[in-house]
Amino acid sequence: GQNIDQPTEMTATEGAIVQINCTYQTSGFNGLFWYQQHAGEAPTFLSYNVLDGLEEKGRFSSFLSRSKGYSYLLLKELQMKDSASYLCAVNSGAGSYQLTFGKGTKLSVIP
Amino acid sequence: ETGVTQTPRHLVMGMTNKKSLKCEQHLGHNAMYWYKQSAKKPLELMFVYSLEERVENNSVPSRFSPECPNSSHLFLHLHTLQPEDSALYLCASSQEGGSSYEQYFGPGTRLTVT
Repeated sequence: GQNIDQPTEMTATEGAIVQINCTYQTSGFNGLFWYQQHAGEAPTFLSYNVLDGLEEKGRFSSFLSRSKGYSYLLLKELQMKDSASYLCAVNSGAGSYQLTFGKGTKLSVIP
Repeated sequence: ETGVTQTPRHLVMGMTNKKSLKCEQHLGHNAMYWYKQSAKKPLELMFVYSLEERVENNSVPSRFSPECPNSSHLFLHLHTLQPEDSALYLCASSQEGGSSYEQYFGPGTRLTVT
């Protein structure tokens, strides 16, 4: 079966750095995605990792270790607007439709 | 219109009603998806259409019936639903065979079954 674990909730202070972890056990692996979802809105794409290492995109970075089945999303210089749910998803097949999502991590940024 | 649109945004229906959800993508993609999002549960993939053919049907009850008349439009027909079907239904699209497997999501339809 497919299993993706991430913390349910996290709280961090405005201006700080927060790391959201994701571990996965899937039957196959063809890449890992991070999505951001504000309450009542659609998920929006943040990052995609298919090779080990760190991908940096502005204030957001994502890391992948395939041997450990582990990824994290790093958010720097937190802003109030970063309060949202962050969804980790694994592509376990050759086609993009085989995405398995975690339950999401609700991040609250406080002043 | 840009991106992925869904109508209606909110829907309240009784268990004996029949209704349809509509999704339209303006991105030129060739694959479309229906997901169900319930509170405290992961996004659940329901159906996938690639090049207008259904390629995935994750043991979804027959009271949910998808339809994909062309690569830009996707429908989810609903009939005799149960209260536990109340959820946010999200549509997404992507380009199969492209360099990125990113899926683009619509804003969702919030469905309440009474």
